[in-house]
Amino acid sequence: EAQVTQNPRYLITVTGKKLTVTCSQNMNHEYMSWYRQDPGLGLRQIYYSMNVEVTDKGDVPEGYKVSRKEKRNFPLILESPSPNQTSLYFCASSTTGGGTDTQYFGPGTRLTVL
Amino acid sequence: KQEVTQIPAALSVPEGENLVLNCSFTDSAIYNLQWFRQDPGKGLTSLLLIQSSQREQTSGRLNASLDKSSGRSTLYIAASQPGDSATYLCAASESYIKAAGNKLTFGGGTRVLVKP
Repeated sequence: EAQVTQNPRYLITVTGKKLTVTCSQNMNHEYMSWYRQDPGLGLRQIYYSMNVEVTDKGDVPEGYKVSRKEKRNFPLILESPSPNQTSLYFCASSTTGGGTDTQYFGPGTRLTVL
Repeated sequence: KQEVTQIPAALSVPEGENLVLNCSFTDSAIYNLQWFRQDPGKGLTSLLLIQSSQREQTSGRLNASLDKSSGRSTLYIAASQPGDSATYLCAASESYIKAAGNKLTFGGGTRVLVKP
């Protein structure tokens, strides 16, 4: 089944404790990205990747890192999480980044930083 | 900077009534516009994608129109059912300067409740 998976689905952590949220797709997509969803602010892009070893900042990249060493994986890294990073996070992928493709979203990761 | 707005934020209709959901965007230089459905605690499911060169797309009871010149898209859901209750999000795709990026700018969503 074609899908985007994220792990973990739920995470409660404390300020400053490094964490990684994994994202994996099995559709051989070139383009992957991360969004966060907050009440009143909607979904905003954090980082995106056009292909392996090619990443760039979205609208709200501060406090986050990403890597794209393999085509299927695009982990989101929070080196020193803070309470303002409490949010619902979505990973997405599409065939290319050319603007014509449907984007597929993962199930979301709900992160709480205490 | 692209801004996407969805009004109303919430909508309640009796079962069987047709639903009309509105989406407006400020920058008409889009590649496509997508409509998504989001159920509580779940991810986003793509419903329809309209390319910038198209005026509408249809899938079953769903029909989406796009008017780039006025910066509007409308999602129609015919003969609504309780299972259509969800939040519907529209998103405008745009390309960065030279390095094309498929960034989506989302509206705030319309929360729909279909009463039996």
